[in-house]
Amino acid sequence: NAGVTQTPKFQVLKTGQSMTLQCAQDMNHNSMYWYRQDPGMGLRLIYYSASEGTTDKGEVPNGYNVSRLNKREFSLRLESAAPSQTSVYFCASSDRDSGYTFGSGTRLTVV
Amino acid sequence: EDQVTQSPEALRLQEGESSSLNCSYTVSGLRGLFWYRQDPGKGPEFLFTLYSAGEEKEKERLKATLTKKESFLHITAPKPEDSATYLCAVQAVATGANNLFFGTGTRLTVIP
Repeated sequence: NAGVTQTPKFQVLKTGQSMTLQCAQDMNHNSMYWYRQDPGMGLRLIYYSASEGTTDKGEVPNGYNVSRLNKREFSLRLESAAPSQTSVYFCASSDRDSGYTFGSGTRLTVV
Repeated sequence: EDQVTQSPEALRLQEGESSSLNCSYTVSGLRGLFWYRQDPGKGPEFLFTLYSAGEEKEKERLKATLTKKESFLHITAPKPEDSATYLCAVQAVATGANNLFFGTGTRLTVIP
């Protein structure tokens, strides 16, 4: 049982480049989330998807887009990367009353 | 505005030396309070959910308690493998299950 799988694990981008972070879960959870984690800031919600076919903005959505491809997969896209988007990105999933299950993260550096 | 403050930021304990981590919260209607453990280079790992004041939950050397303003994570006779960052998060009634608001964590080091 893999849980939540994120790819890639590490990425270096140049300012202005685009990329998509992939996330897949095999727990049949309805809800999926993207968080970013920065030193001294705690985890902050970027976007979430409460169910297949729906997405909503979180606390820090600017500069990002998401796609809920199907029940299993939820991707995060940076259209034009900026140094301020250097961070560790975590995908998570949950069912209605369960604790969130997190992936192992993507470490992104924008130079 | 929802707010979560964890203290201390860092804690060093000798193996076997019990202590407590604090999570103070301000939220407009608490739906749930969550504790997570995060090891370096990994994602947070779920430990407990508490829903109402007075509730307690235990797992091995860890015990979480909840009041109307704060939660404590008590660590009894810790071992080096308990070294990690412990994160507290709250879920508000207003946002339902669709957001966990996290504190910045307590980094625990247990020295053999």
